[in-house]
Amino acid sequence: GQNIDQPTEMTATEGAIVQINCTYQTSGFNGLFWYQQHAGEAPTFLSYNVLDGLEEKGRFSSFLSRSKGYSYLLLKELQMKDSASYLCAVRSPSGAGSYQLTFGKGTKLSVIP
Amino acid sequence: DVKVTQSSRYLVKRTGEKVFLECVQDMDHENMFWYRQDPGLGLRLIYFSYDVKMKEKGDIPEGYSVSREKKERFSLILESASTNQTSMYLCASSLWQNGYTFGSGTRLTVV
Repeated sequence: GQNIDQPTEMTATEGAIVQINCTYQTSGFNGLFWYQQHAGEAPTFLSYNVLDGLEEKGRFSSFLSRSKGYSYLLLKELQMKDSASYLCAVRSPSGAGSYQLTFGKGTKLSVIP
Repeated sequence: DVKVTQSSRYLVKRTGEKVFLECVQDMDHENMFWYRQDPGLGLRLIYFSYDVKMKEKGDIPEGYSVSREKKERFSLILESASTNQTSMYLCASSLWQNGYTFGSGTRLTVV
């Protein structure tokens, strides 16, 4: 089975740094994704990790430790527009050589002035 | 940029109706997916397809079926809509090693 855990809600101050954690237990692993979803909109791709370590992309960074089943998304210099839900998702093999992406329930981040 | 288009943004149907949700992508992606998203439950995979006429059940396939007759189009079918199928439905497509691109979603209400 697949189990992906992340905090339900977080609040942080504009200009600060926030870290959103994700732990997973899946049957098979082929990469971890982070998506951002603003209220009423579709998720948009933020980052992808398949090897251990840190991937940096502007104000956003994502870290992966496969041995620990753990990832985090780091958001620096928070802006009000970063208020959104952040979804952790794990890709794993499915039948007939295909893959599927299983999502956590999402972390709703509120950025306050 | 990849574009994934869902035919309707909002839809209201009656209990027992047959409902078709259409999704079209324009980048020749092999894989297409249907999810539903509900508060407190997150995104849950209903069905996916990795090739024309191929389909696989996701985590919650009951009450749904799918059709993929052409590579660019993936349809979700509710054979007999029920109120517990009121939800936001999201279609996505991807290449094998890439992330997913989502459509803008269809908010379905079954009354």
